[in-house]
Amino acid sequence: DIQLTQSPSFLSASVGDRVTITCRASQGISSYLAWFQQEPGKAPKLLIYGTSTLQSGVPSRFSGSGSGTEFTLTISSLQPEDFATYYCQQVKSYPLTFGGGTKVEI
Amino acid sequence: EVQLVESGGGLVQPGGSLRLSCAASGFTSSDHYMDWVRQAPGKGLEWVGRTRNKVNSYTTEYAASVKGRFTISRDDSKNSLYLQMNSLKTEDTAVYYCARSSESRGYYVMDVWGQGTTVTVSS
Repeated sequence: DIQLTQSPSFLSASVGDRVTITCRASQGISSYLAWFQQEPGKAPKLLIYGTSTLQSGVPSRFSGSGSGTEFTLTISSLQPEDFATYYCQQVKSYPLTFGGGTKVEI
Repeated sequence: EVQLVESGGGLVQPGGSLRLSCAASGFTSSDHYMDWVRQAPGKGLEWVGRTRNKVNSYTTEYAASVKGRFTISRDDSKNSLYLQMNSLKTEDTAVYYCARSSESRGYYVMDVWGQGTTVTVSS
């Protein structure tokens, strides 16, 4: 199985900060990586797929990069509605797997 | 409006069975891959399984933790997805989400999610 390790697990930041979350895969997954945002008590929301393609309707302050085994999600200027937990997911092979999550708090 | 609505969650004893439903609206579910994803209390997301679309004969994939106990099925006449869960264990306690997976630029991505239904396995 492909394991995804996110870092950090917890991040404290302020409105306007630039935030970067890293996701490392245990083996190469090309560009088969997606990022999700989950607010407390809500379903996950797709932000980015194919490593860097922004899902329709997602603000442009979100961006993704990487390839192979190391990937990043960047929020260029953190907004109040961005305080949530973020998960990476690989869709290269079964079983599909998620990272452990990064909680972004004020 | 594209929407997924899960139902069927509840309290069940260990060893028991439960069937979850996921009703799709605003799109034809048979055209899409469909997934189940769960989240144990205070934990992260765990993929449970997938059924491919009609073109791909509705073939299925499962996580090792549920293989042989859980079964995904569909009813196209009801535009619905199901998760039959047998031999339930306490560690199956979670919120269960269904999600639509759409093909985009060569990737299958979970672009629509339901609100989730809670399953509690306890004596």
